[in-house]
Amino acid sequence: SAVISQKPSRDICQRGTSLTIQCQVDSQVTMMFWYRQQPGQSLTLIATANQGSEATYESGFVIDKFPISRPNLTFSTLTVSNMSPEDSSIYLCSVEASYGGQGTQYFGPGTRLLVL
Amino acid sequence: AQTVTQSQPEMSVQEAETVTLSCTYDTSESNYYLFWYKQPPSRQMILVIRQEAYKQQNATENRFSVNFQKAAKSFSLKISDSQLGDTAMYFCAHTNFGNEKLTFGTGTRLTIIP
Repeated sequence: SAVISQKPSRDICQRGTSLTIQCQVDSQVTMMFWYRQQPGQSLTLIATANQGSEATYESGFVIDKFPISRPNLTFSTLTVSNMSPEDSSIYLCSVEASYGGQGTQYFGPGTRLLVL
Repeated sequence: AQTVTQSQPEMSVQEAETVTLSCTYDTSESNYYLFWYKQPPSRQMILVIRQEAYKQQNATENRFSVNFQKAAKSFSLKISDSQLGDTAMYFCAHTNFGNEKLTFGTGTRLTIIP
């Protein structure tokens, strides 16, 4: 299966600052996704990132707060902007990989973010 | 809108026993996919098993199997011969054919007791 890495694995940030999370895949994939998992909660989709087009954001998430880049088929970044303590979460990227069957997503190890 | 419901927030079972985790979902589509993911304390989301709605046969992966009841919109996960390494949060998830977006349930925290 695809090997997905994320950087950083964890970070502690001050409110008002921004953090960029990187997601790298060892093979080319069409669909990449970014999720947020708040403490003790399930996963919520932030946006879908396709190469060569603007990311598609879910209700409640906006580009100014969570800008996403997708420069090629193996890499994406998510920026959490103007952070507040409410942004403290685990952020996960995932990819859809056909070898797992249509619709199957595989996840990176996550980035644990704490905002003070 | 799709919804996925896991009614068991926590479960525990003795090592080597069998445990069943429940999941129900709601969709108006007839063609879709269902998944169980495992999230151990390391927080890595790991795919456990996948089921295609148009296949009547229940999916199995080694000690993991599902009971897929399409009419009832039920998708339970059975773990046989449970092991300490099975301790994790388990999430049920759904996506419609051609949609690509996964909708997750709230999760069940499973603890395997030595």
